Parts: sequence; C-alpha cells; structure tokens
Amino acid sequence: GENVEQHPSTLSVQEGDSAVIKCTYSDSASNYFPWYKQELGKGPQLIIDIRSNVGEKKDQRIAVTLNKTAKHFSLHITETQPEDSAVYFCAASVVGGNEKLTFGTGTRLTIIP
Amino acid sequence: DTAVSQTPKYLVTQMGNDKSIKCEQNLGHDTMYWYKQDSKKFLKIMFSYNNKELIINETVPNRFSPKSPDKAHLNLHINSLELGDSAVYFCASSQVWGVAKNIQYFGAGTRLSVL
Repeated sequence: GENVEQHPSTLSVQEGDSAVIKCTYSDSASNYFPWYKQELGKGPQLIIDIRSNVGEKKDQRIAVTLNKTAKHFSLHITETQPEDSAVYFCAASVVGGNEKLTFGTGTRLTIIP
Repeated sequence: DTAVSQTPKYLVTQMGNDKSIKCEQNLGHDTMYWYKQDSKKFLKIMFSYNNKELIINETVPNRFSPKSPDKAHLNLHINSLELGDSAVYFCASSQVWGVAKNIQYFGAGTRLSVL
C-alpha cells in the first residue's frame, strides 16, 4: 500500500519568512495530493491540493509543487503570519483506485512573532 | 451551523467498557469516514461509507463497528475498550465517493481516554 513520509516533524520560522514542508510517497499510481491544516482542538481542513497532471499550484501565500519522477511534493507558505501556526498534513491517493487518503505524519509549524 | 458534528467531544472510560461516538453532517454529502489520530498525531482512516454502504474497512479490530442509519449519520461503536484505543477519533464527510473530486470536511474530533 501507499506510504507517505513527511519532513520536518517540527518547524519554527520567524514571522514574515517562508516555510517549506516536504513529502514523499511510494505508490507511483498516486495522482492526487491534498494538504490539510489542523489547528489546536479542531479537525483537519483542506488548504490546497494538486493533481498529478500539474507541476505547481498557487493560492495567495500558499503553493504546492509536485515532482512525479522523484515522487515528492512540497508545501510552500510565504510571508508567514501567526495564524499559520498549526499542524500540517500532506496526503496521497489514487483517483480511480481505492481513492483512500494516506496521510503523512504531520508537521507542527510555529510562527515566531 | 456546524457542518460535521461529533458527540461527545471528550470520553473517559474504563477498560472493558463499550462506548459509542456519534457523527452527523448537514452538508447533504453521500460519503462519510472515521479516522483515528494517535498521540503522535498520525492520522489513519478506519472506515468509509458511501450512501450507507461500507466502502473501506482498514483492518480495524472487529471490536469497532460503524453504523450508518442514513446518509447524514455515521456512528462508531467500540466494544471491550482497550488502553490502545485511546486516541482522537475524527468523523469526516465528502460530497460523493472519490477524494479527488470532493473535499473532505472533518468534525472537531472526539478525544477518547481509556483508563
């Protein structure tokens, strides 16, 4: 089955700086890669996703890049703000297969004011 | 109005007891899920139901039994609770089956502590 690894497990950045979180996946059939943000005491919430036919996607301060050959994808947050502090999860799935989301192990991002 | 609501938010119980967690979504979605998040924040799917039909059962012990009385509800019953069942359980829903087409909306979670 699919295995998703995520690094780093914790990340602290100064407010205004950029943050990058990286994930690798094992199943070359995976073709959908969402990112979720989990704030304290809440459930995960989708913030951005990318499909395998696209190399990069941007939404304001958040961007995701995908390298299918290397089987890795990354989340980039620019101009970080205190409200970006949360746990971030990457995930992978096979659309048209069992379509189950396999999550990474999470990254606790702390923005230092 | 809360889109995906779970009750209770906290559940503290003794080993060997039986307990239930309820989930309701008011989004009109067809698909509902149960996830388990352990103390290290690892999030893993347990079950998925589409239109009240079981789609995913991730080798979860048969002490765990999901029940979907209708599309808007997916309850989780756990028999003979064990220490290792302590975790946060999340319910989620999506519009139709197929994660690439639909966002999964998560509830706020139920923190289960087995003593």
